[in-house]
Amino acid sequence: DAKTTQPTSMDCAEGRAANLPCNHSTISGNEYVYWYRQIHSQGPQYIIHGLKNNETNEMASLIITEDRKSSTLILPHATLRDTAVYYCIVRAYGGSQGNLIFGKGTKLSVKP
Amino acid sequence: DAGITQSPRHKVTETGTPVTLRCHQTENHRYMYWYRQDPGHGLRLIHYSYGVKDTDKGEVSDGYSVSRSKTEDFLLTLESATSSQTSVYFCAISYGQGSTDTQYFGPGTRLTVL
Repeated sequence: DAKTTQPTSMDCAEGRAANLPCNHSTISGNEYVYWYRQIHSQGPQYIIHGLKNNETNEMASLIITEDRKSSTLILPHATLRDTAVYYCIVRAYGGSQGNLIFGKGTKLSVKP
Repeated sequence: DAGITQSPRHKVTETGTPVTLRCHQTENHRYMYWYRQDPGHGLRLIHYSYGVKDTDKGEVSDGYSVSRSKTEDFLLTLESATSSQTSVYFCAISYGQGSTDTQYFGPGTRLTVL
C-alpha cells in the first residue's frame, strides 16, 4: 500500500502556481519524497525528490515540512501541458531493489 | 530524455501465445525494471535487473520471465499470454546507485490479449 495521501483532484488556472499537497505522516528517517507525473498514455515522468531540505529544479519546487510528515509540490506557472496525474512517493535509499509504489495520485487539471 | 525505447509500442495477441517485449537503453545503466499499469492498481513491479544476467522478482512476477544478456536490453516474456496480462507495460532504468536511485520510465507498450 502507498504510504502517502493526496487529494484525488485539483484545478489550477493557467499561469498560476499549482500547489499539490502530500501527506506522509509515517515517513521514516531514511526515506526520500519523490514526485512523478503521468500525462495521459505516457510513461511516468520524474519531477523532483528530496529528503528534508526544500528542493528546486527547472520543473518544480518541493517544500518539505520540518517534521517531514507532509510536503508540497509547486509548479510555479502552470500551463495546459501540466495537466496530468501527480504521484507523491516515499522510498528508502539503499539499493535499487526497492520499487516505486505509486498510489492513486492527484489529477491536476490546468484550465485556460 | 533518459534514452529508453520500448518495442513494440502496441501489440494484440491471442491467449496462449508467447509474447516478448523489449526495453532498450542507450546510457549503459546498471538497473532496469519492468512494471505493469492497470486501472485501480497503479504501477506494479514485475521484475527488475541489477546487471547482466542478474534479475529478481517483483510483486507480480507470476506468468512472466525476463532476460538480460546485454546491458542495454531487458526482455520481458509472457510464456503463454492470458487475458489477465492485458495491460500497459513500462520499462524503467535508474541512473543512481544507493542513496537516490531515481527511476526514469520508457513510453510504454500497450498489450491486448484476446
